[in-house]
Amino acid sequence: KNQVEQSPQSLIILEGKNCTLQCNYTVSPFSNLRWYKQDTGRGPVSLTIMTFSENTKSNGRYTATLDADTKQSSLHITASQLSDSASYICVVSFLTGTASKLTFGTGTRLQVTL
Amino acid sequence: NAGVTQTPKFRILKIGQSMTLQCTQDMNHNYMYWYRQDPGMGLKLIYYSVGAGITDKGEVPNGYNVSRSTTEDFPLRLELAAPSQTSVYFCASRSRQGARGTDTQYFGPGTRLTVL
Repeated sequence: KNQVEQSPQSLIILEGKNCTLQCNYTVSPFSNLRWYKQDTGRGPVSLTIMTFSENTKSNGRYTATLDADTKQSSLHITASQLSDSASYICVVSFLTGTASKLTFGTGTRLQVTL
Repeated sequence: NAGVTQTPKFRILKIGQSMTLQCTQDMNHNYMYWYRQDPGMGLKLIYYSVGAGITDKGEVPNGYNVSRSTTEDFPLRLELAAPSQTSVYFCASRSRQGARGTDTQYFGPGTRLTVL
């Protein structure tokens, strides 16, 4: 069964600190892995998309890594800001028939405090 | 571009009532999706469409119907609402491009539905 597991479930850090969120998946056949940011009461917004041949991708202070062999990914946030407070969702895409489909993790809820 | 818009933002239904959640995108995307997000759970795909006139079931289609008469619009219909359909509903769209499906999905702001 295709699954995406994220850890930790929630995290509180001080503004300016770094943090790393984890994602393990058992999705097959793998197409790509995405990280989304979801602010409270809003829809998810894409941060990064990586195919199996990419092992690092950055978007500003966000850096995602992918190890397709161990089926693990991480999202590293550098110099956190209050606006980083949100849920971060790992999403793995797999190909089926006419369309790619997505398996969503349950997210890591990050709170950045003063 | 407004992107993906959804209406209404909030709605309370009584058991057995029906309603339509509206979704419109102005990016000329072929692919559109409906998801539901329950507390503490990942998003689940309800229905999707690969173009006007073509729809298909996702993981959790029971109790819902969709139509895609135009590229822009992808309404989701709830018939005989049940408390189990209390959730936040997200519409999303993407273009048909990119190697191995590396195209971005754009999500709407969501509709929060409560069935009492």
